[in-house]
Amino acid sequence: DIVLTQSPGTLSLSPGERATLSCRASRTFSGSFLAWYQQRPGQAPRLLIYDASTRATGIPDRFSGSGSGTDFTLTISRLEPEDFAVYYCQQYGNSPGTFGQGTKVEIK
Amino acid sequence: QVQLVQSGAEVKKPGASLRVSCKASGYAFTNYYIHWVRQAPGQGLEWMGVINPRSGGTTYAQSFQGRVTMTRDTSTNTVYMELSSLRSEDTALYYCVRPVRDARPWAGFEIWGQGTMVTVSS
Repeated sequence: DIVLTQSPGTLSLSPGERATLSCRASRTFSGSFLAWYQQRPGQAPRLLIYDASTRATGIPDRFSGSGSGTDFTLTISRLEPEDFAVYYCQQYGNSPGTFGQGTKVEIK
Repeated sequence: QVQLVQSGAEVKKPGASLRVSCKASGYAFTNYYIHWVRQAPGQGLEWMGVINPRSGGTTYAQSFQGRVTMTRDTSTNTVYMELSSLRSEDTALYYCVRPVRDARPWAGFEIWGQGTMVTVSS
């Protein structure tokens, strides 16, 4: 199975700052079939980005995804209070799809 | 609207079996695969398997092979996940999930059920 490693484990930032989250795969997988999810406490994960760079329905444009091969990035251009949460990446280019361990974005 | 509604919380003893249901509405049930993902308390997301509601075909994660069974009832637009030989490590929130694209097993997971909390304890 492909292992996804997310970094950093925790990101401490202030509202209005830019957040850059990394997701690195143990090997390349088919296509750029990578998704990003946000999970707030007590809630189910929410799809933010799929196919590495396509925003899901209703996702604000401050969220963007990029990358290819084994290195992918989620960028939040200006953090809003509701953006402080845990973020997971997932690859689905190779079966089984696998998740990263998560990055927590916390208020500094 | 498109939604997945799961059955309620369960408390089970070690060795018992579990069945969680996931009722789909608001879209063509047989057009989208359904996956099951679980999350232990304070932990990350773990993929368990996927079912094709049209054919009933399934693929399970290696770590659950032999213990998990996924089925569907097209008359009620419901998918079921059964997990046997429960142990304390199976204590988790179980989600059914629908991908963003139809007709393909794998895509971003767009629609999530509300989750079913399963506690395994003697």
